[in-house]
This record gives sequence, C-alpha cells and structure tokens, in this order.
Amino acid sequence: AQKVTQAQTEISVVEKEDVTLDCVYETRDTTYYLFWYKQPPSGELVFLIRRNSFDEQNEISGRYSWNFQKSTSSFNFTITASQVVDSAVYFCALRRGNTGNQFYFGTGTSLTVIP
Amino acid sequence: GAGVSQTPSNKVTEKGKYVELRCDPISGHTALYWYRQSLGQGPEFLIYFQGTGAADDSGLPNDRFFAVRPEGSVSTLKIQRTERGDSAVYLCASSPAVGSEQFFGPGTRLTVL
Repeated sequence: AQKVTQAQTEISVVEKEDVTLDCVYETRDTTYYLFWYKQPPSGELVFLIRRNSFDEQNEISGRYSWNFQKSTSSFNFTITASQVVDSAVYFCALRRGNTGNQFYFGTGTSLTVIP
Repeated sequence: GAGVSQTPSNKVTEKGKYVELRCDPISGHTALYWYRQSLGQGPEFLIYFQGTGAADDSGLPNDRFFAVRPEGSVSTLKIQRTERGDSAVYLCASSPAVGSEQFFGPGTRLTVL
C-alpha cells in the first residue's frame, strides 16, 4: 500500500527563519514519483516540484530546496529565509510509477510565517 | 494561459438532492482527475480520465458518485442522493500526459445540509 506521512500538522516561524517540512512515504514500488504542492488560503493547489525515484539529487530553486533520501524514505522541503507569503498548507504526494495514476497525498503541514 | 476552472465555486444543497460539478481542464491536457478534500485532510483520489474514458474509478466511494467526460475535455462529477458526509471541497486537476504533474483547479465547495 502507498502512504505519505506528514507528521507536522502546524508550524509557526518568524519571518526570515528557515523551516523544514518533513515527508515520509511508504511504497513497495521501485519506480515512483514524489511531489510537493502548496495550498495558499485561496485554496488552489500549486505545483512546486516532482522527483522520480531514480534521481536522488537534491534540488534548489531560489529559497526552496528539497532533500530526497531513499534510505529513509523521506522527501523533505526546506524554505530558507521564510516570508509571510510562504504561509500556506503544504502537501507531499506520491504517485506510483507503473500502475495507476492517482496521487496519494499526505495530510499536509500548515505553515504560518509571522511578520 | 487559462488554468483549470471549476463551477460552481460553492454549492449548497439539501440532503437527498442531486448535484453536478463541472471541470474545465487546461486546453490540450488529456488526463483529468477528480479529488475530494475534507477539512484538514489531503486530497483523496476519486477518478481519473484518459481522454473520454474513465481509466481508474477506484476512488469513487459508492455508486451515488459518477463522472463523465464525453468529449475528452470538460468533465462533470455527478452525485445522487447527497448525504451530509459528502460535504467537502471537490478538486479537479489535469495533466498533459499520464504521470506528469497535475494542475489543480480552485475547487467546488459542496455543503449538504
């Protein structure tokens, strides 16, 4: 069975602090894809990143970075120098590589950046 | 360009009524997905279409739920005999190909009284 766990329900940080959102996944597939989405108060899910299971290179995009570690089945997301506009709910998701096409979402982490 | 659009944005109905929720995917996207998101939860998969056909409807909770995509673009999610437990935000997403990232619409908030 596929499962995504985001143990942090809510996080609050002060603006300019760094924050890491944790994501742990479970799957028996050897091929799979991992995603992060942002859901701001407006409600629309915004795609942030996709990684496939064969690419463990960490990725940096501006203030965002992702740490993918297959050994611990984790795909953590770090925001550097957080800003108020980063306040949102962040979802980690898993898609199986070879069968089915549905996404399995975690329960999300609500991030509040305090000015 | 235009993103995924969903109508209505809000729908309030009474228990037992029938509702239809519409999704307009991004033009050219062949894959279309429906999810349901309850408060404090992540989106839960309902059904996905590749073209006109439902490729996977394993997430539909029961036979009161049905979805169509007759021409391979717009899709309608239909719920019969609505129950209070159906209250949630119904999200639609589309992707240019099966497996690539999904682009989500703003959702329809359904409230069953």
